[in-house]
Amino acid sequence: DVKVTQSSRYLVKRTGEKVFLECVQDMDHENMFWYRQDPGLGLRLIYFSYDVKMKEKGDIPEGYSVSREKKERFSLILESASTNQTSMYLCASSPSTSGGVADTQYFGPGTRLTVL
Amino acid sequence: TQLLEQSPQFLSIQEGENLTVYCNSSSVFSSLQWYRQEPGEGPVLLVTVVTGGEVKKLKRLTFQFGDARKDSSLHITAAQTGDTGLYLCAGAPGGSYIPTFGRGTSLIVHP
Repeated sequence: DVKVTQSSRYLVKRTGEKVFLECVQDMDHENMFWYRQDPGLGLRLIYFSYDVKMKEKGDIPEGYSVSREKKERFSLILESASTNQTSMYLCASSPSTSGGVADTQYFGPGTRLTVL
Repeated sequence: TQLLEQSPQFLSIQEGENLTVYCNSSSVFSSLQWYRQEPGEGPVLLVTVVTGGEVKKLKRLTFQFGDARKDSSLHITAAQTGDTGLYLCAGAPGGSYIPTFGRGTSLIVHP
């Protein structure tokens, strides 16, 4: 079974703190993604990576950065956390693209981040 | 503007009832996917539909991809409390492999 793990299920941080969210997948997938999920807004893509050290901006990258030094690990960084970054953060991985058909995304359980 | 529009946004029904949720777009998709997310967990893929007009069944769940590949529906027969969750449709427009998600339909099935 594909397993995607996230470093914390719940996290509480203060405004201005630097926050690291870690994601690890064990299926040798090329692609990894970070989403945030807010009520009524669905899943919004923050960043994704299709290879080690490669990253692409998603729909809402402002205030975030990412790091992918190893294939299995994709980190999301909030340089200076703000209250409007309080949200559920979901990491996902997928195998490499297959001819235009969206690949299955495997999600982690999510990190519920609260910024006070 | 949301690329994939899901309706209804909320659905609260009794066990045993049937229901249909919809996923609509003005864009053509090479495939559409349906995920279910249970409280406190990440979404899990239920099905991928690829061919226009395709119908797939997963026990009591029936998925249909529109002939023009712009819309999809999910029908649940005789809903059970275990069907409670958030149902998300996702598609990759224009041959991209990066899916975009609808906002979801939150289903609650009461015993």
